[in-house]
Amino acid sequence: DVKVTQSSRYLVKRTGEKVFLECVQDMDHENMFWYRQDPGLGLRLIYFSYDVKMKEKGDIPEGYSVSREKKERFSLILESASTNQTSMYLCASSFWASYNEQFFGPGTRLTVL
Amino acid sequence: QQQVKQSPQSLIVQKGGISIINCAYENTAFDYFPWYQQFPGKGPALLIAIRPDVSEKKEGRFTISFNKSAKQFSLHIMDSQPGDSATYFCASNFGNEKLTFGTGTRLTIIP
Repeated sequence: DVKVTQSSRYLVKRTGEKVFLECVQDMDHENMFWYRQDPGLGLRLIYFSYDVKMKEKGDIPEGYSVSREKKERFSLILESASTNQTSMYLCASSFWASYNEQFFGPGTRLTVL
Repeated sequence: QQQVKQSPQSLIVQKGGISIINCAYENTAFDYFPWYQQFPGKGPALLIAIRPDVSEKKEGRFTISFNKSAKQFSLHIMDSQPGDSATYFCASNFGNEKLTFGTGTRLTIIP
């Protein structure tokens, strides 16, 4: 059974803290994605990666960075968390070829106080 | 930024009824139109997808209708059941470009 796992389901951090969200997939997928989900705004792409050590900005990259040192792992980093980064964060992965299904993790609900 | 506009934002349907969710896209190059279903506490999962070489695709009680000239596509859920209560997202892209998602529709099926 295909699987995308995220390191935490719930996370509470304070303003200014550095936050790491980890995502691991076991499907040997080339592509990995980080989305942010907010009510009424849908799924917005933060960053994505087509290969190890490769990253591309999505639609809302400001305030975030990513790291992909191994094919199966994609990390989202909030260098200095702010209250407007309180959200649900979803990781996804897919094969590189066109029209491929994205497989999502269960999400991390991050609250920044 | 290419947009996919989704409506309605929320929908309440009686059990056994037909649920209809609509999406409109701007980029005429888009040629892949999936729908994702998300249950509370879970990540979205692919429900059904269509390419524009057909105007309709049906899988069980779920049907995608596609209108290329109007740049619109919709999800129809026949004989809606309480277990269909979820948030639904449409999306579009072309080739290996990133998916652009709609804003989501929260569907509630009442007995």
